[in-house]
Amino acid sequence: ETGVTQSPTHLIKTRGQQVTLRCSSQSGHNTVSWYQQALGQGPQFIFQYYREEENGRGNFPPRFSGLQFPNYSSELNVNALELDDSALYLCASSRSGTSSYEQYFGPGTRLTVT
Amino acid sequence: GEDVEQSLFLSVREGDSSVINCTYTDSSSTYLYWYKQEPGAGLQLLTYIFSNMDMKQDQRLTVLLNKKDKHLSLRIADTQTGDSAIYFCAAKGNQAGTALIFGKGTTLSVSS
Repeated sequence: ETGVTQSPTHLIKTRGQQVTLRCSSQSGHNTVSWYQQALGQGPQFIFQYYREEENGRGNFPPRFSGLQFPNYSSELNVNALELDDSALYLCASSRSGTSSYEQYFGPGTRLTVT
Repeated sequence: GEDVEQSLFLSVREGDSSVINCTYTDSSSTYLYWYKQEPGAGLQLLTYIFSNMDMKQDQRLTVLLNKKDKHLSLRIADTQTGDSAIYFCAAKGNQAGTALIFGKGTTLSVSS
C-alpha cells in the first residue's frame, strides 16, 4: 500500500509570488485534506476535497485555493504570498464513508517566504 | 468552536511510563486521536478512540477517555529514547468535511 506523498519537500519563495504544492493520496483513499503547521504550533485545517469539490474549509483567505483530480491527487495553491505563510504544509488522505475518521498524513512541504 | 489544550513538555527516564494529557471543549467531538511527529517529519497516526469508548489499548499505548470531563490521555509503557517526539492530541466531529482540531503538541523527552 502506497502512503501519502507530497512534493516538493522544501521551497523558498518571495513575498507576493504564487506557489503550488502537490499531494498524492494513499492507495484506496478518495478524500484529501490540507493543513498548515506554523513553527511550534499544531496543524490548522485549510480545506478538504472529496469528489473533486471542496468539502469543508477552515479560516483561511481565498488566496488559498485547491484542486482535486480524478485520480484523487490534489494541489494547494497560494497566491500573493505573505511572510506569515512560511510553514509546513501537510496533506492528509482518508476514505469516505465508514473509515473517514482515519486520516494519514504525508511528510509535508516546508515553505519559506522571504 | 472546538479548542484542544495540552501541556507543552514532559520529561521521563527510559523504562518509565509516560502520560500525556489533553482536554477538549466540544462535547460533540466523536473521534479523538493521538499523532506523533518526529523532527522534520509529518504526522504519524498512533491511535484513536471513539467517544463511546472509555479505554483503548494497543501494545505499549493506552488511551483513556473521560467524556464527562472532556479529558483524554495517552500512556506509553516502557518509554524508549525512540519515543522522543512531539505528540499531538486531535478531535473531530462526525460530519463529513469536518477537520481535525489539534492541540499545540506535547514535547516528550526521554533520557537514558
